[in-house]
Amino acid sequence: DAGITQSPRHKVTETGTPVTLRCHQTENHRYMYWYRQDPGHGLRLIHYSYGVKDTDKGEVSDGYSVSRSKTEDFLLTLESATSSQTSVYFCAIRLGGAGTEAFFGQGTRLTVV
Amino acid sequence: GESVGLHLPTLSVQEGDNSIINCAYSNSASDYFIWYKQESGKGPQFIIDIRSNMDKRQGQRVTVLLNKTVKHLSLQIAATQPGDSAVYFCAEKSGGGADGLTFGKGTHLIIQP
Repeated sequence: DAGITQSPRHKVTETGTPVTLRCHQTENHRYMYWYRQDPGHGLRLIHYSYGVKDTDKGEVSDGYSVSRSKTEDFLLTLESATSSQTSVYFCAIRLGGAGTEAFFGQGTRLTVV
Repeated sequence: GESVGLHLPTLSVQEGDNSIINCAYSNSASDYFIWYKQESGKGPQFIIDIRSNMDKRQGQRVTVLLNKTVKHLSLQIAATQPGDSAVYFCAEKSGGGADGLTFGKGTHLIIQP
């Protein structure tokens, strides 16, 4: 699992509440990613980070923000959760360099009711 | 934006037969491709990758073929086993930047006894 831990693994929250998901890595990798996985859409990139305090938007970033204040943690925040954000969220790390694969965490299943 | 897709959502094969999972990609600038396996309740797991300067790469019981002329990628699994039952995703990337992978929607491989 490349030393990736996601927390929580499951969460149910109410519409309009803020939610923060955490991705923690133990191997000091530079690149970290947040994806969401929905039926019929595969995995889609939300945000990514290429270093401490260096982040950028992915394909489906609306409604999400991220922060990376230290190398090992990449946080994904839903400022005001909506039902459309019910999904499985995966964190990934990339070992770095061109053409290197990404390793994924176990996922967080988020349900917004 | 451009995306990677798969021809078939479900593939059923007999145990011991060879499996072939196909993927069409549309971004002609893609130069790196990966196949992932995802078992129920788990994150995607790296299987094999290939760079655009190659047309074939072999791993243990798996082979990836890349046809850049028709923008087609395939994963061949030899002597399919029950443990191969999973959803398989192709993913692609262009360039060496920090941005993430673009995933196809997945093919569910079912192994018949």
